[in-house]
Amino acid sequence: KAGVTQTPRYLIKTRGQQVTLSCSPISGHRSVSWYQQTPGQGLQFLFEYFSETQRNKGNFPGRFSGRQFSNSRSEMNVSTLELGDSALYLCASSFRGRGSADTQYFGPGTRLTVL
Amino acid sequence: DAKTTQPPSMDCAEGRAANLPCNHSTISGNEYVYWYRQIHSQGPQYIIHGLKNNETNEMASLIITEDRKSSTLILPHATLRDTAVYYCIALNYGGSQGNLIFGKGTKLSVKP
Repeated sequence: KAGVTQTPRYLIKTRGQQVTLSCSPISGHRSVSWYQQTPGQGLQFLFEYFSETQRNKGNFPGRFSGRQFSNSRSEMNVSTLELGDSALYLCASSFRGRGSADTQYFGPGTRLTVL
Repeated sequence: DAKTTQPPSMDCAEGRAANLPCNHSTISGNEYVYWYRQIHSQGPQYIIHGLKNNETNEMASLIITEDRKSSTLILPHATLRDTAVYYCIALNYGGSQGNLIFGKGTKLSVKP
């Protein structure tokens, strides 16, 4: 079974631009979560989508948004990029994301550099 | 979710067993112990999880103490490719989505 895929793997943008990252979950998984990882802050939760609905949200500004499609694929968008948005953006999928232990599997991440 | 405590770093000789400890003294009855690892700049990789019984899979074994206040991840025959940061997490899936919060983890260095 194919794992979680993320595109693109690497991205360089300049301040003020916007960016869209894509995540394809493991087949059959309906929950997709997004995380930001930086050396200083570690892994931080952005949001989670389940059946095209945002079910949970972390403490990030409104410049960070996401959506999920009917095939469970998800995108996240960051508008008006700032230097501090440089990070590894990770997507994780799970079967349903709630209830008994439901393992989250991560993709390889998208490395975003903002200049 | 309960807080976990891990040593910041450990060394292990290649071919030997790597035993990574984790303390989770405030873990509640419905929290699972999860282990992930992350090789530099890659996405975290799921290793194993358990509730109260010991668990084994093709990657590792998880030993949870009877009082569930601590656990040990065992890599039976460590290789150089096992060099990574290992994260122990206590997760409650009884309510909302168990958002993963990684602490600083244990940096395992496997040496030839």
